[in-house]
Amino acid sequence: GNSVTQMEGPVTLSEEAFLTINCTYTATGYPSLFWYVQYPGEGLQLLLKATKADDKGSNKGFEATYRKETTSFHLEKGSVQVSDSAVYFCALSGGGGNKLTFGTGTQLKVEL
Amino acid sequence: GAGVSQSPRYKVAKRGQDVALRCDPISGHVSLFWYQQALGQGPEFLTYFQNEAQLDKSGLPSDRFFAERPEGSVSTLKIQRTQQEDSAVYLCASSPLFIGRGYTFGSGTRLTVV
Repeated sequence: GNSVTQMEGPVTLSEEAFLTINCTYTATGYPSLFWYVQYPGEGLQLLLKATKADDKGSNKGFEATYRKETTSFHLEKGSVQVSDSAVYFCALSGGGGNKLTFGTGTQLKVEL
Repeated sequence: GAGVSQSPRYKVAKRGQDVALRCDPISGHVSLFWYQQALGQGPEFLTYFQNEAQLDKSGLPSDRFFAERPEGSVSTLKIQRTQQEDSAVYLCASSPLFIGRGYTFGSGTRLTVV
């Protein structure tokens, strides 16, 4: 079946540091890949997505590239801010109805 | 409405009690999903509706869980004879038929079974 593996958190960074959160997946067929973000007390929000190999999703300074050869979709940001503190979930869609399979989430804490 | 609305926001139930959780999707969204998110974990798929038809209920953990969407809009997730392991955040999401930009999630209902 489908599965997503994320690096464990929490990840603690200083403001303006470079961020990488690793995500690898196992899936049949050609899934779409997503990063969702969950701020404290709020619902999941779509951060970015990629629908085919070599696509790069980007939003709010975050980027991730769909790498089929390494089955990865690592999230990166060049300079994090305190406001980026949240839990980040990698996910893939596949199967009927486009249901999502999520990773366990990675908590990011950004300090001044 | 502008977003996916879930109610109640919090629910405390005594073990053995039945509960009903409501989801109001974005108007016109054909697809509706329920997910269960245990503490410190990612959401896990429960069930999927396309309009009023429940097309996939493979994620429902037991026959105590039941979901419906009788008119293709509002959906209710019912849990009978709640148990402590049912404690989790229950998330609802909706999308147009072609997922495109992805789902819109509600803020969830946090269920605590005591």
